[in-house]
Amino acid sequence: RKEVEQDPGPFNVPEGATVAFNCTYSNSASQSFFWYRQDCRKEPKLLMSVYSSGNEDGRFTAQLNRASQYISLLIRDSKLSDSATYLCVVNGDKLIFGTGTRLQVFP
Amino acid sequence: GAVVSQHPSWVICKSGTSVKIECRSLDFQATTMFWYRQFPKQSLMLMATSNEGSKATYEQGVEKDKFLINHASLTLSTLTVTSAHPEDSSFYICSLETGENTEAFFGQGTRLTVV
Repeated sequence: RKEVEQDPGPFNVPEGATVAFNCTYSNSASQSFFWYRQDCRKEPKLLMSVYSSGNEDGRFTAQLNRASQYISLLIRDSKLSDSATYLCVVNGDKLIFGTGTRLQVFP
Repeated sequence: GAVVSQHPSWVICKSGTSVKIECRSLDFQATTMFWYRQFPKQSLMLMATSNEGSKATYEQGVEKDKFLINHASLTLSTLTVTSAHPEDSSFYICSLETGENTEAFFGQGTRLTVV
């Protein structure tokens, strides 16, 4: 089993749609969790940290379920500029990256 | 946050030559930096942890004699891919963390193509 698993997609959605990504992790001792965004041939950039209480940043909402070892990202009102690969990242004794979920938003 | 500058952003080299990639922390004194490799459609894989003033710690399966890491100052870590072969073609990226369990700040990455 992979340490961090994500559905690779692609998710093809129209502008304005709501889309959700899920991620599961295997190490129950993991301490911190993040969603990163990676554009093609670019470095990953932090989208948001993920907290147990859930957190929201504009159109983006992240949730963490420690009991189920599950993380989610919800994007509301999708924009064309949201098209990218979204990486689930888990930090135990080192950062472990998921393979990413590709999102393509079309007009 | 921290600003990380990586150079070069891309390089094409002949098989058998060596390539050096630099990673600079512009506004943070980093005792530790990280080197990752990413093949197409795959996740970032940690290659090694670069430790200022001491030897790097390599992940299992990464050849330390092939991927030479030097971290001589708090602001610079270098990765040298020695005797590069086409299978070493990949996206190499460095990062640092400003604290325990904090987010990572990445360099711009280096796309290496070995022909």
